[in-house]
Amino acid sequence: QKEVEQNSGPLSVPEGAIASLNCTYSDRGSQSFFWYRQYSGKSPELIMFIYSNGDKEDGRFTAQLNKASQYVSLLIRDSQPSDSATYLCAPSKGGTSYDKVIFGPGTSLSVIP
Amino acid sequence: IAGITQAPTSQILAAGRRMTLRCTQDMRHNAMYWYRQDLGLGLRLIHYSNTAGTTGKGEVPDGYSVSRANTDDFPLTLASAVPSQTSVYFCASRILTATNEKLFFGSGTQLSVL
Repeated sequence: QKEVEQNSGPLSVPEGAIASLNCTYSDRGSQSFFWYRQYSGKSPELIMFIYSNGDKEDGRFTAQLNKASQYVSLLIRDSQPSDSATYLCAPSKGGTSYDKVIFGPGTSLSVIP
Repeated sequence: IAGITQAPTSQILAAGRRMTLRCTQDMRHNAMYWYRQDLGLGLRLIHYSNTAGTTGKGEVPDGYSVSRANTDDFPLTLASAVPSQTSVYFCASRILTATNEKLFFGSGTQLSVL
């Protein structure tokens, strides 16, 4: 089993719809999670960091974490063409312990006008 | 404000040559990482360093070496480049507190090995 898995893409949604991106991980010691967005030819940029079970909202983005199920998702409400990008998730041990950060393979999202 | 600086931006390299990709950060972050990203694929961890003087292997370390002589610099060396090492290379540093974390990425180095 891979350390981090994401729903296979590409994912296409119409403008204004909700895009749902999923991520599962195998290390039960993971305590926090990153969601990064990467536009083609650009560096990844952080859009969400979550470390508590439940939901975390930031504008149109909501991350949902379920540590018991080893699952984290990212919902994008009112999707815009500018949201078209690849979304990468990565778990972390969190706390004050540095560790290697392994990213999932990414999900490509395309928002159709 | 520089953040993370990678050099060169791009490079064409003959197979068998030695190459060092440079990465410098001015944020005094303890942890640094090297990733490669092949066309259409995700980030794969090559090597990482939790603090100056220590390094660790990632998912795809073969053919690469790193050093961490100080906090700011984390160079990646290809001792004898092969075409399969053609990729975009990203360096990152990491801030870590009890309730907040973030990886800061450099702008990447496009490497082509012919």
